[in-house]
Amino acid sequence: DVKVTQSSRYLVKRTGEKVFLECVQDMDHENMFWYRQDPGLGLRLIYFSYDVKMKEKGDIPEGYSVSREKKERFSLILESASTNQTSMYLCASSYPDKNTEAFFGQGTRLTVV
Amino acid sequence: EDKVVQSPLSLVVHEGDTVTLNCSYEVTNFRSLLWYKQEKKAPTFLFMLTSSGIEKKSGRLSSILDKKELFSILNITATQTGDSAVYLCASSSGTYKYIFGTGTRLKVLA
Repeated sequence: DVKVTQSSRYLVKRTGEKVFLECVQDMDHENMFWYRQDPGLGLRLIYFSYDVKMKEKGDIPEGYSVSREKKERFSLILESASTNQTSMYLCASSYPDKNTEAFFGQGTRLTVV
Repeated sequence: EDKVVQSPLSLVVHEGDTVTLNCSYEVTNFRSLLWYKQEKKAPTFLFMLTSSGIEKKSGRLSSILDKKELFSILNITATQTGDSAVYLCASSSGTYKYIFGTGTRLKVLA
């Protein structure tokens, strides 16, 4: 079974803190994604990576950065957390050259106070 | 700009009812249309559709794609309380990014 694992289910951080969300997948997928999910807005793509050290901005990259030093790991970084970044964050991975589904992690619910 | 639109946003039905969820898309270099079910955790994959007119079926759930009119429907027959969830529609584009709609929240009452 494909496994996508996010490091935390729940996080509470203070405004201004630097926050790291980690995601690891075990299927040797080239593509990895970070989404945030908010009520009424669905899943919105923050960043996308198609290979180690390669990244592409999604629809809402402001206030976020990412790191992909190893194929299996994709990190989302909130440089200076703000209350409007309180959300559910979902990591996903997929094959780049096969028409398949994306596999999701269990999500991290981040609250910024 | 690529987009996926789902309707209705929410739906309340009684057990045994049949529901139809709608998804329309406008995506450059369309590859596939996907449906996911999300309860209080990660979305779980239901169907992927790539060809028009071919129904995909799994138990009481079925889905079909119309590539000419750019939409898909997800049908659930004989609904059960366990079907209560958010149903997400997504489209895969040429770069294998997945664009999601806002989801339809389904509540099935006993």
